Amino acid sequence: AQTVTQSQPEMSVQEAETVTLSCTYDTSESDYYLFWYKQPPSRQMILVIRQEAYKQQNATENRFSVNFQKAAKSFSLKISDSQLGDAAMYFCAYRSFREETSGSRLTFGEGTQLTVNP
Amino acid sequence: NAGVTQTPKFRVLKTGQSMTLLCAQDMNHEYMYWYRQDPGMGLRLIHYSVGEGTTAKGEVPDGYNVSRLKKQNFLLGLESAAPSQTSVYFCASSRIREQFFGPGTRLTVL
Repeated sequence: AQTVTQSQPEMSVQEAETVTLSCTYDTSESDYYLFWYKQPPSRQMILVIRQEAYKQQNATENRFSVNFQKAAKSFSLKISDSQLGDAAMYFCAYRSFREETSGSRLTFGEGTQLTVNP
Repeated sequence: NAGVTQTPKFRVLKTGQSMTLLCAQDMNHEYMYWYRQDPGMGLRLIHYSVGEGTTAKGEVPDGYNVSRLKKQNFLLGLESAAPSQTSVYFCASSRIREQFFGPGTRLTVL
C-alpha cells in the first residue's frame, strides 16, 4: 500500500517570501501521479499542482512549483512571492496510474498548515 | 455547472441514529468517492465507485454503506451513528486525472 508523509505540521512565511513544503511517499509502482491540494478555512479542496511520475520536468503553475525527486520519493512544493491568500492547509496526495485496480483514488498526507505573516 | 454538491452541509446526530449524506455531480464523471477528514490525519477514503451500480471499500469502510444507483449521485449512509464518526465528510468525483471535491459536510455525533 502506498503511504504519503508530510513531516511539517505547521509552517510560516513572511509575505512576499518563498516557502517550501515537504512531502515524501512510499510506493512500489513506477507510474503514478502526485498532487498538492490547498484547503483554506472555507474547507474547499483546491488543486494546486499535479506531477506525472513519468515526466522528468518539474511542474509549475504561476507562483507554485514542485521539486520532484523520483528516486528519493520526494515531492516538495515551493511557493514564491507568498501572499496572504496562500494561508491554508496544504495536502500532498498520491494516485496510482493503474485506474482499473485502484479506482483512481487518492492517498493523502497529514497536511501542513501554512501561515502567511504580513 | 455546479460541480460537486453535498447535502447537508452540517448535521448533528445522537448516538444510534441513522442518516444519509447525498453527493451529486454534473460533470458526467465515472468515478466517485467518499472521504472523511479528521484533525492531524488528512483525508481517508471510506468507499468509492468506478461506475453506476458499483461500489468498493476504501481504507476506513466500517460503519458506513454506500449506493450508486444513478451515475450522478453517490450516497453515504450511517446506519447507527457513533461518536467516532464525528468528522468532516468530503465527496469527490473524477474522470481520469484530477479529483473534484464537494464543499464538505460537518457531522457531529453526540
